[in-house]
Amino acid sequence: GQNIDQPTEMTATEGAIVQINCTYQTSGFNGLFWYQQHAGEAPTFLSYNVLDGLEEKGRFSSFLSRSKGYSYLLLKELQMKDSASYLCAVWSGGSYIPTFGRGTSLIVHP
Amino acid sequence: SQTIHQWPATLVQPVGSPLSLECTVEGTSNPNLYWYRQAAGRGLQLLFYSVGIGQISSEVPQNLSASRPQDRQFILSSKKLLLSDSGFYLCAGQGYTFGSGTRLTVV
Repeated sequence: GQNIDQPTEMTATEGAIVQINCTYQTSGFNGLFWYQQHAGEAPTFLSYNVLDGLEEKGRFSSFLSRSKGYSYLLLKELQMKDSASYLCAVWSGGSYIPTFGRGTSLIVHP
Repeated sequence: SQTIHQWPATLVQPVGSPLSLECTVEGTSNPNLYWYRQAAGRGLQLLFYSVGIGQISSEVPQNLSASRPQDRQFILSSKKLLLSDSGFYLCAGQGYTFGSGTRLTVV
């Protein structure tokens, strides 16, 4: 089985930087996804990490350490529209079924 | 790139009525397809996945079934809906993209 842990909720100030952590325990790791989900909408893809290190994409960056079973999503220059749930998902095993964490609700306030 | 189409966007159905939600895929052939459900305030629960036509794997035994009659078509069904079937149903392909989802309310 798999175990994926994320904080339930985080708050941050507009213009600041926030780091959302995700830890996982799994066998046969294939990759890790981060998604953004606004209330009432479907998740949208943010990033995919399969190798260790940092992947930067504009204001968003994602980091992976396979040996530690750890990833984080870094959001810079926060905007009000970044208020959303951020989902960590892990692919493992030969069937390539992504398993999702419960998500971290990020609240950005002025 | 892959595009997932889902409909309808919202649905209100009485208890005991049947259900059919359709998902179609553009931009790829023989994709892995997934049905997820998200209850209010909770995470995504994998219901079914399919690696090809006629191949369905169920992750959670329940009141629902799935079928894949064509390569790019994935259908979620129920013969008799329960109140507990209410939720946000999402079709996904290859782990990268989701359809826009169907919000089902069983009354």
